[in-house]
Amino acid sequence: KAGVTQTPRYLIKTRGQQVTLSCSPISGHRSVSWYQQTPGQGLQFLFEYFSETQRNKGNFPGRFSGRQFSNSRSEMNVSTLELGDSALYLCASSPGSYTDTQYFGPGTRLTVL
Amino acid sequence: DQQVKQNSPSLSVQEGRISILNCDYTNSMFDYFLWYKKYPAEGPTFLISISSIKDKNEDGRFTVFLNKSAKHLSLHIVPSQPGDSAVYFCAASEDSGGSNYKLTFGKGTLLTVNP
Repeated sequence: KAGVTQTPRYLIKTRGQQVTLSCSPISGHRSVSWYQQTPGQGLQFLFEYFSETQRNKGNFPGRFSGRQFSNSRSEMNVSTLELGDSALYLCASSPGSYTDTQYFGPGTRLTVL
Repeated sequence: DQQVKQNSPSLSVQEGRISILNCDYTNSMFDYFLWYKKYPAEGPTFLISISSIKDKNEDGRFTVFLNKSAKHLSLHIVPSQPGDSAVYFCAASEDSGGSNYKLTFGKGTLLTVNP
């Protein structure tokens, strides 16, 4: 089975712009979660989607949003970028039940200048 | 407020010896715990997990111990190998009754296994 793929792998944006990141889960997985990794805060949960519905949400401002399509692919959008949004954005997929293992993609490295 | 803490940013051990990575948590609602390993430029890879109804889980060279009263878990790697050198993350989650899979991660411990 192919693993979780994320595109693009690297991205450079300037303050005030918006960005959309994409995640393709493992075939058959219905849950996609997004995490932000920064040196200071570590890995922080953004949100989780299951069957096109946001099922769980972390403590991030409304500038961070996401969606999931019927084929379980997910996108994450960040509007009005700030310097502090520079981070590695990771998505993880799982079949969807509570104790299912989450499999992570390689991440998208976003740099905001 | 950091609910999952890995107090050792780094750990160095000799090949063949035991590596012990520690993790403490504060949220008593956490009932499922996981360890992930991360190499540079890759996403975290699942290693091993443990439910709060158990106090030990083994998988090959990896064993996770859970002490609920102390809100502490540890990962033992025996014997340690140079390929184990990576950042190890402890993570925890709570079953919110249908709204699940929100992992809370520690900040990680960099393990270096010296040949």
